[in-house]
Amino acid sequence: EVQLVESGGGLVQPGGSLGLSCVVSGLIFSNYGMIWVRQAPGKGLEWVSYIGISSSTMYYADSVKGRFTISRDDAKNSLYLQMNSLRAEDTAVYYCARDRGGTYSDYWGQGTLVTVSS
Amino acid sequence: QSALTQPPSASGSPGQSVTISCAGTSSDVGGYNYVSWYQQHPGKAPKLVIYEVNKRPSGVPDRFSGSKSGNTASLTVSGLQAEDEADYYCSSYAGSKNRVFGGGTTLTVL
Repeated sequence: EVQLVESGGGLVQPGGSLGLSCVVSGLIFSNYGMIWVRQAPGKGLEWVSYIGISSSTMYYADSVKGRFTISRDDAKNSLYLQMNSLRAEDTAVYYCARDRGGTYSDYWGQGTLVTVSS
Repeated sequence: QSALTQPPSASGSPGQSVTISCAGTSSDVGGYNYVSWYQQHPGKAPKLVIYEVNKRPSGVPDRFSGSKSGNTASLTVSGLQAEDEADYYCSSYAGSKNRVFGGGTTLTVL
């Protein structure tokens, strides 16, 4: 059974930092690109970032470029998202998901909530 | 990276069919055959129901179908069932591994 489990969410003050993790099991993690997608409370889905196989490429949404960094550790079957200079508008549930050719995602985690507030 | 345009709501009675539209541009929906659709029940993670415009993942009922014409994609749910009531999001490849999502449509089964 494929499982993606996110962790690391919580309450952080504006301007602060937070790191998210996503541990993947049930598939050969190193064979796939991965993405982060977020969903603000009561809002729609927003693609955040992509990382390719062997960390070959990384892409970011304009809204997070320069503040967020995506990374992966294939030895630990883990995906990460380091979030700096956090803003109120970054408040959301953050999902990790397996990427299929940059075009769709077939496995998703359950999400972790990040709240940016003073 | 503008969001794709979906109607905020759609509805139908059990057994009926409903179609949800997803309007984009030539830089996303119209430029690639890489439209996907996701179903999301409250408090749950999104679930893939259609990929590459009209392909269904294993386990998704054939009541779900997708299509595309020009810059607009559509998801049709036939033979509506109570469990189909959920939010539905379209998504399109937009180049350089970027993905753009629609604003979501809440489907109500009357």
